[in-house]
Amino acid sequence: GIQVEQSPPDLILQEGANSTLRCNFSDSVNNLQWFHQNPWGQLINLFYIPSGTKQNGRLSATTVATERYSLLYISSSQTTDSGVYFCAVERMNRDDKIIFGKGTRLHILP
Amino acid sequence: DVKVTQSSRYLVKRTGEKVFLECVQDMDHENMFWYRQDPGLGLRLIYFSYDVKMKEKGDIPEGYSVSREKKERFSLILESASTNQTSMYLCASSQQSPSGANVLTFGAGSRLTVL
Repeated sequence: GIQVEQSPPDLILQEGANSTLRCNFSDSVNNLQWFHQNPWGQLINLFYIPSGTKQNGRLSATTVATERYSLLYISSSQTTDSGVYFCAVERMNRDDKIIFGKGTRLHILP
Repeated sequence: DVKVTQSSRYLVKRTGEKVFLECVQDMDHENMFWYRQDPGLGLRLIYFSYDVKMKEKGDIPEGYSVSREKKERFSLILESASTNQTSMYLCASSQQSPSGANVLTFGAGSRLTVL
């Protein structure tokens, strides 16, 4: 099945810093999503981005489908950005299920 | 706003009890999913449903069953709870995009402890 690898596994930053999270996947996909899981466990959908670039406030994401990776950028980090960031991919075949990476745990220090 | 509601945020049950985890979505989504999340193992798919009264096994269906009698409600059932089912359970729903992709919306999660 398709493999999804996220890096780095853990990241500790000072408030105000910028960060880049990476998601590599092993096969062509028609769906890539980024999620943020807050410390209470809620998963929030940040981006649906199978290709191209999107921006939402301080967050932006870029997926280069031909090279099988996606990047999530967080600028001017705030403590509320802390949590775990997951990417999830899905292939065209309906029999294929959504596959989640193991996540990047981000801790923003005040 | 799109909403997925899980009935219980925290539950504590005893081994052998029957456990119901309820999930309701108000977005008229066709597809619903149940995942469990464990440290070091990430999110694993238990069951999913693409239509009312329809269900499909995910990657780890053993020890679980589901019910989807109405479009908006997808229930996860643990027939006889065991300690290895202590976990965070996450429900999600999705409407497929024109390309066929499932764009997921998650509930807040239900943290189950089986003693």
